Amino acid sequence: DQQVKQNSPSLSVQEGRISILNCDYTNSMFDYFLWYKKYPAEGPTFLISISSIKDKNEDGRFTVFLNKSAKHLSLHIVPSQPGDSAVYFCAASISGSARQLTFGSGTQLTVLP
Amino acid sequence: DVKVTQSSRYLVKRTGEKVFLECVQDMDHENMFWYRQDPGLGLRLIYFSYDVKMKEKGDIPEGYSVSREKKERFSLILESASTNQTSMYLCASTAPRGGEQYFGPGTRLTVT
Repeated sequence: DQQVKQNSPSLSVQEGRISILNCDYTNSMFDYFLWYKKYPAEGPTFLISISSIKDKNEDGRFTVFLNKSAKHLSLHIVPSQPGDSAVYFCAASISGSARQLTFGSGTQLTVLP
Repeated sequence: DVKVTQSSRYLVKRTGEKVFLECVQDMDHENMFWYRQDPGLGLRLIYFSYDVKMKEKGDIPEGYSVSREKKERFSLILESASTNQTSMYLCASTAPRGGEQYFGPGTRLTVT
């Protein structure tokens, strides 16, 4: 039973436009959420995170939104660049759990020049 | 910068062989993790460790064991490799307070 779901395996976006990646979770105990980016043959790298006490967190071109009532988070990338093409994973954790992360299945983002 | 290194980028092993995957981190992190990544399944936690000589099973520990003799090193052991263990293996570490996990570059293991 997947507790963190990314229902879109792939997404294609034109350069300069907005990319929106979605993630749903089922475990209401999750209180910390992260997004990772992964290029082929490399390990995932941390992008941005959000605590459940917030509903939005921004870092440059990346913004994460959290809707706790819907158990939904999204990552917005504006403007999208070809270098953003990668697999994006969302992850969730519970405070006090040694920050053990539960990952979604990933979304392959392709930004077309 | 946190650095997590893994002993091999690519490995090819035969069915039944014993396989050791090594991971070293240089940030004095207490927590270390082993995941495998498979297409459509994301990253699944195999084992983790929150201290030397301590280990906890993750979601898919069957067929694997781990060793943590030193704080900086966390080893994943496949006692008798099988073809369904062909995968990308990723090691990660994090401080006790949590926050993001830092990942190594991964080991692509093929079992034939």
